[in-house]
Amino acid sequence: DAKTTQPTSMDCAEGRAANLPCNHSTISGNEYVYWYRQIHSQGPQYIIHGLKNNETNEMASLIITEDRKSSTLILPHATLRDTAVYYCIVLRDTGFQKLVFGTGTRLLVSP
Amino acid sequence: GAVVSQHPSWVICKSGTSVKIECRSLDFQATTMFWYRQFPKQSLMLMATSNEGSKATYEQGVEKDKFLINHASLTLSTLTVTSAHPEDSSFYICSARDSTAGRGMNTEAFFGQGTRLTVV
Repeated sequence: DAKTTQPTSMDCAEGRAANLPCNHSTISGNEYVYWYRQIHSQGPQYIIHGLKNNETNEMASLIITEDRKSSTLILPHATLRDTAVYYCIVLRDTGFQKLVFGTGTRLLVSP
Repeated sequence: GAVVSQHPSWVICKSGTSVKIECRSLDFQATTMFWYRQFPKQSLMLMATSNEGSKATYEQGVEKDKFLINHASLTLSTLTVTSAHPEDSSFYICSARDSTAGRGMNTEAFFGQGTRLTVV
């Protein structure tokens, strides 16, 4: 599976949009981009995933560049409860692939 | 939504004893579950893949005789930390995907709330 690169940490003001980038320059055609987050002392939580089209759900939007070498997770109106470590993971669509977590981005949302 | 439940949420045990952690998929079947370990301020590290009805697959460097995994049914996997030592103190997390979604279909993984193990 392709490796991903994320900034170590980011800050965001409450109510503002949080844009979390992820580089996955070696991604191949059948690999999806998944985003999970982990709030302190809890299990990870699924956020969103996509292949090449932009995706949106009730939690976030996922913007994938046309060449698929990078993506951005957008939390449109960040709240204090969005403070967490966000993980970008690239995964092949070939059954029950194991999720391998990198170091992620620690997002701190402040009042 | 789909729920994965772990039990216990936390456990304290004496050095040398064994501890069993359960992972249940509450409203879906999971032929495959995954076990992770997380030390403070670190990311999740995959330990093993639990396969229903067959042996678990362990990641490199994980001792299979120390971390016993049993996946006896489509909704339950257990991790037993045998002869626990203080260095085994960690946050253990399991995850599962819905098997009925079919292979080849991308589905999200659901995670348990984690089990904090402290060995004294």
